[in-house]
Amino acid sequence: DTGVSQDPRHKITKRGQNVTFRCDPISEHNRLYWYRQTLGQGPEFLTYFQNEAQLEKSRLLSDRFSAERPKGSFSTLEIQRTEQGDSAMYLCASSSQGAVEQYFGPGTRLTVT
Amino acid sequence: AQRVTQPEKLLSVFKGAPVELKCNYSYSGSPELFWYVQYSRQRLQLLLRHISRESIKGFTADLNKGETSFHLKKPFAQEEDSAMYYCALSGTGANSKLTFGKGITLSVRP
Repeated sequence: DTGVSQDPRHKITKRGQNVTFRCDPISEHNRLYWYRQTLGQGPEFLTYFQNEAQLEKSRLLSDRFSAERPKGSFSTLEIQRTEQGDSAMYLCASSSQGAVEQYFGPGTRLTVT
Repeated sequence: AQRVTQPEKLLSVFKGAPVELKCNYSYSGSPELFWYVQYSRQRLQLLLRHISRESIKGFTADLNKGETSFHLKKPFAQEEDSAMYYCALSGTGANSKLTFGKGITLSVRP
């Protein structure tokens, strides 16, 4: 499968723990996006990278959230000191520069108990 | 600020009936408009974009700049059209992030 992949697909954690998610974009895509989706809502933008540079961050991305894309390939999203309000589906998408279509991964569903 | 409004949460129709999923947007400038679809147990995927002006799976959407709308239409719904549909917009160039509406569930009954 050459599409966007995300790992893990599901994560259950206790409040206060740290979690890290990984996204592998389509190999030739240099743009990578993170979105969050809660029940009954559409995906909401969190941040995006062009190659290894993080070009934009949403106000939704509190200081407990950090994203990296160190070599311009895969990306990680870390949430520190998780809260119940962090429970959501975290989606990753990628696109090639100059193209508007974004290809989505299957998402990581986070449940904070 | 960019915003997408999908006023309805659910649309239930019988097979063969026409479908119109509504979408209104707010954006300063000329946005790109999209419809994304998510079938059961599948990932979000692009259905169509306004700039291509094509019909995908019998669906069409026309951008009306005067009414700031991008409604999705299909003359004869099929059961396999049952899914979650999201309207989305993005800017151009560096402003490539997508802003989504809340989505609408389309249910096509036999």
